[in-house]
Amino acid sequence: DTGVSQNPRHKITKRGQNVTFRCDPISEHNRLYWYRQTLGQGPEFLTYFQNEAQLEKSRLLSDRFSAERPKGSFSTLEIQRTEQGDSAMYLCASSFGRTAGGPWEQYFGPGTRLTVT
Amino acid sequence: AQTVTQSQPEMSVQEAETVTLSCTYDTSESDYYLFWYKQPPSRQMILVIRQEAYKQQNATENRFSVNFQKAAKSFSLKISDSQLGDAAMYFCAYRSAVQFYFGTGTSLTVIP
Repeated sequence: DTGVSQNPRHKITKRGQNVTFRCDPISEHNRLYWYRQTLGQGPEFLTYFQNEAQLEKSRLLSDRFSAERPKGSFSTLEIQRTEQGDSAMYLCASSFGRTAGGPWEQYFGPGTRLTVT
Repeated sequence: AQTVTQSQPEMSVQEAETVTLSCTYDTSESDYYLFWYKQPPSRQMILVIRQEAYKQQNATENRFSVNFQKAAKSFSLKISDSQLGDAAMYFCAYRSAVQFYFGTGTSLTVIP
């Protein structure tokens, strides 16, 4: 399977614990996005990488959230001191684009569903 | 700020019939891209169709086509000959320079 993969698929954690999610994009894709999706809503942008550089972060991304893409390949999203409001589906998407223009269609992974108890 | 509005939380269509899902967006940009994504229950989101704002011709992908009205900032999706496998949540999305903005989705039910 050469699509976007995410691990784990489900995570249940207690409030206050730290969690880390991993995303493996399609191998030739240089752009990687993290989104959060709650029930009945569309994905909300969290952050974006071009290669290893984190170029943009949403105001939704509090200081408890951090993301990395150390070698421009896989990415991790860590949430520290989780809160019940962090419960959501966390989606990763990747795309390829060498220029500022272009559609950059995003290919999504299956998501990691986080439940904070 | 860019916003995407899908005013139909739920739609239903009889199998083999045609259905149109609505989407409007707000932007001050002239160059952008629009997309429709499909998210089946418990499955990952997949791209259905895309439209470049600079193209006047409406995009078509097999049974899926769009009606892009740039002046009205409207981007509707038409599904012809609906099939049971079309049942899913459909999201309209707008791409600005970097970010993608998604609507709240329309849940489509296909009635056998």
